[in-house]
Amino acid sequence: ELKVEQNPLFLSMQEGKNYTIYCNYSTTSDRLYWYRQDPGKSLESLFVLLSNGAVKQEGRLMASLDTKARLSTLHITAAVHDLSATYFCAVDKASADAGGTSYGKLTFGQGTILTVHP
Amino acid sequence: DAGITQSPRHKVTETGTPVTLRCHQTENHRYMYWYRQDPGHGLRLIHYSYGVKDTDKGEVSDGYSVSRSKTEDFLLTLESATSSQTSVYFCAISAILGRFEQFFGPGTRLTVL
Repeated sequence: ELKVEQNPLFLSMQEGKNYTIYCNYSTTSDRLYWYRQDPGKSLESLFVLLSNGAVKQEGRLMASLDTKARLSTLHITAAVHDLSATYFCAVDKASADAGGTSYGKLTFGQGTILTVHP
Repeated sequence: DAGITQSPRHKVTETGTPVTLRCHQTENHRYMYWYRQDPGHGLRLIHYSYGVKDTDKGEVSDGYSVSRSKTEDFLLTLESATSSQTSVYFCAISAILGRFEQFFGPGTRLTVL
């Protein structure tokens, strides 16, 4: 059974500071997704990481994937209040090596609630 | 925004009553999913569909059934609602597996009293 664990679960940051959210998963996969959710809203896609060593950046957020370590990171640079939200990683256990398909069944982490203070 | 709507957006019902939630997409995507979101659990997959009339169970399928008679509609039914099914339900769609992310609908908040 695929398990996905995020840490920390709660993150309180000051504006201007840097921090990293970690996403560890338990089985082989090279398909990992990051989503953002604002309170009471739906999920918004941030990054799609589809190979070992993949790195994507958008504004103050950068995501990376290390499939050998089964680890993805979401790095926040110089945080601003607008980044306050809940961030989820999600893993599709299908992989190029494994073959076949998982039909896109995603397993989500618990989510990291990020609050950025002035 | 991906063309996904969910109805109803909010519903309060009583234990033991049947409930059907609808997901409608205008993107003609092949794959559709139902998730539930509960505090501390992230999102968990209930059922998914990989084509018209092709559905299968996800991680937390007990007490739920689904149907997909048209590409654009994916229905989730709670045959006899229980308080443990109080949750926020999200529908998602995907065009091509492993290349594109899933896009999520606005969600349905269901309360079972």
